[in-house]
Amino acid sequence: IQLTQSPSLLSASVGDRVTLSCKGSQNINNYLAWYQQKLGEAPKLLIYNTNSLQTGIPSRFSGSGSGTDYTLTISSLQPEDVATYFCYQYNNGWTFGGGTKLELK
Amino acid sequence: QVQLKESGPGLVQPSETLSLTCTVSGFSLTSYSVSWVRQPSGKGPEWMGRMWYDGDTAYNSALKSRLSISRDTSKNQVFLKMNSLQTDDTGTYYCTRDQSTASDWFAYWGQGTLVTVSS
Repeated sequence: IQLTQSPSLLSASVGDRVTLSCKGSQNINNYLAWYQQKLGEAPKLLIYNTNSLQTGIPSRFSGSGSGTDYTLTISSLQPEDVATYFCYQYNNGWTFGGGTKLELK
Repeated sequence: QVQLKESGPGLVQPSETLSLTCTVSGFSLTSYSVSWVRQPSGKGPEWMGRMWYDGDTAYNSALKSRLSISRDTSKNQVFLKMNSLQTDDTGTYYCTRDQSTASDWFAYWGQGTLVTVSS
């Protein structure tokens, strides 16, 4: 399964509601996770099984979706959320998306 | 405390073989699966292969002909060997662990090791 993320680059202001998209080439059956990666660091798990928040992750992060289309939402963008975000599917094999780089406007 | 740490050469000559070691602590390799994931600079991660807790392996079909993953449970180590390296194999290589025995998402990551393929 191939994952396509959009947009590849997103500029937003502190406090904005931000939505990142991930589309699969086939049905993912909700077996989708989201990772945050800051410069020079390993990816960090945010969300698994489409909408389950990993322990310790702020509640401003949420996930939704079904079938082939999934979304990561940040309800109120904070400066520390500047990072690249990857989706990852584990329904059929294990594949990552190409990423969305989130920057401050 | 779950920890994973990658080690290996930072520079590999084209056409040669890459050998990496993942040393783990805080869990048993006979209870949890460990995967290798690599990431070219500025690109998305790529799952390479998995050492299942029962000793079985799974490989990315695009790398299967060049890749081998093994382990030494007595030393808490998982090994990656990949031959015929080319410049597009340059990137950061991570070992990862599933969150639980019943999950397929990676909750634990090593710090990564940068591998450069160059003459």
